Amino acid sequence: EVQLVESGGGLIQPGGSLRLSCAASGFTFSTYNMNWVRQAPGKGLEWVSYITSSSGTIYYADSVKGRFTISRDNAKNSLSLQMNSLRAEDTAVYYCARDHMYSSGAGFDYWGQGTLVTVSS
Amino acid sequence: QSVLTQPPSASGTPGQRVTISCSGSSSNIASNTVNWYQHLPGTAPKLLIYSNDQRPSGVPDRFSGSKSGTSASLAIRGLQSEDEADYYCATWDDSLNGVIFGGGTKLTVL
Repeated sequence: EVQLVESGGGLIQPGGSLRLSCAASGFTFSTYNMNWVRQAPGKGLEWVSYITSSSGTIYYADSVKGRFTISRDNAKNSLSLQMNSLRAEDTAVYYCARDHMYSSGAGFDYWGQGTLVTVSS
Repeated sequence: QSVLTQPPSASGTPGQRVTISCSGSSSNIASNTVNWYQHLPGTAPKLLIYSNDQRPSGVPDRFSGSKSGTSASLAIRGLQSEDEADYYCATWDDSLNGVIFGGGTKLTVL
């Protein structure tokens, strides 16, 4: 069974840093592209970042570019999101999501349950 | 304000057919495939349609997707009470070099 389990969320002050992790199991993690997607309270879904299976290609949403860094460790079946210079508008539930093997982009077939990040003083 | 435009709400009665539209532009829908998600509060979003009109295994054939030019649609026939949820379209945008979601449509089953 495919499982994605996020961790690392919490309450952080503006300007602070946080590192999210996503533990993957039930599939060959090293062969799938992965993403982070977030949902702010009362808002819609917002894509955050994408990384290919080999980490060779990485993309970020403009809203987080220069502040967030996505990475993965295929040996540990783990995806990470390093978030620096956090702002109130980064407050959201953060999901890790797997690319569908036969989707040519934006098709995420498995999602974690999400981890809440709250940026507030 | 989302690059992809969806109606904020839609509704129907049990058994009815409902469609949700998603309007984009030449840099996104026209040149890339569209995906649709169902999202219930407090749960993980669920992929309903990928590559414009393909259903992942386990998704009922009551759900169907289509795309024409810069627009896409999700149709739900035989509406059921458990279909009450938020629905999002998503695609790649060549200008933004990233994934974009529609603003979401809240579907109410009356």
